[in-house]
Amino acid sequence: AQTVTQSQPEMSVQEAETVTLSCTYDTSENNYYLFWYKQPPSRQMILVIRQEAYKQQNATENRFSVNFQKAAKSFSLKISDSQLGDTAMYFCAFTNQGAQKLVFGQGTRLTINP
Amino acid sequence: GAGVSQSPSNKVTEKGKDVELRCDPISGHTALYWYRQSLGQGLEFLIYFQGNSAPDKSGLPSDRFSAERTGGSVSTLTIQRTQQEDSAVYLCASSLVGAVTEAFFGQGTRLTVV
Repeated sequence: AQTVTQSQPEMSVQEAETVTLSCTYDTSENNYYLFWYKQPPSRQMILVIRQEAYKQQNATENRFSVNFQKAAKSFSLKISDSQLGDTAMYFCAFTNQGAQKLVFGQGTRLTINP
Repeated sequence: GAGVSQSPSNKVTEKGKDVELRCDPISGHTALYWYRQSLGQGLEFLIYFQGNSAPDKSGLPSDRFSAERTGGSVSTLTIQRTQQEDSAVYLCASSLVGAVTEAFFGQGTRLTVV
């Protein structure tokens, strides 16, 4: 069974600092996708960044980047120049290629302090 | 519509009562997903609809849970004889066919069973 583990229940940093959220996953498949979602108090899940397992290059989206280590089954999210609006729950998720289910980790509550 | 719409936003019900939760997907999206998010947990897959195909119900936790999708658009998740452990946020998502990697989420319904 596929599992996703986020080992940091809560993190807190000062505005403008860089923060890294950790995620590990377990799968026997070779082709899959990894995601980071942001969930603000509005509850809506917002896709932050996506990584295809067949791509060796780490995905980046503005201040958000990932460190994808396929052999180690690790997928961390780095947020640079953190902003107050980054305060939210962050979920790591996974799906096999061709599957229609997302498997989520338990989330990390990130607080950006002014 | 512009986004995935869920109603009601919040629902409080008495133990043993039936509840219906509604999801309006993005226009043109043929795939629709329901997830459950218990307090402090990640999202748990419940059910997946794709067009007129038989739904994937593998995530429904018990026979008290059912869902339907009328006319390939609006979906209703029904929970019969609600229990306190059913208290959670129920999130709906939709996507184009076979594109869970491009799924858009609604803001969820927070269900509280008292």
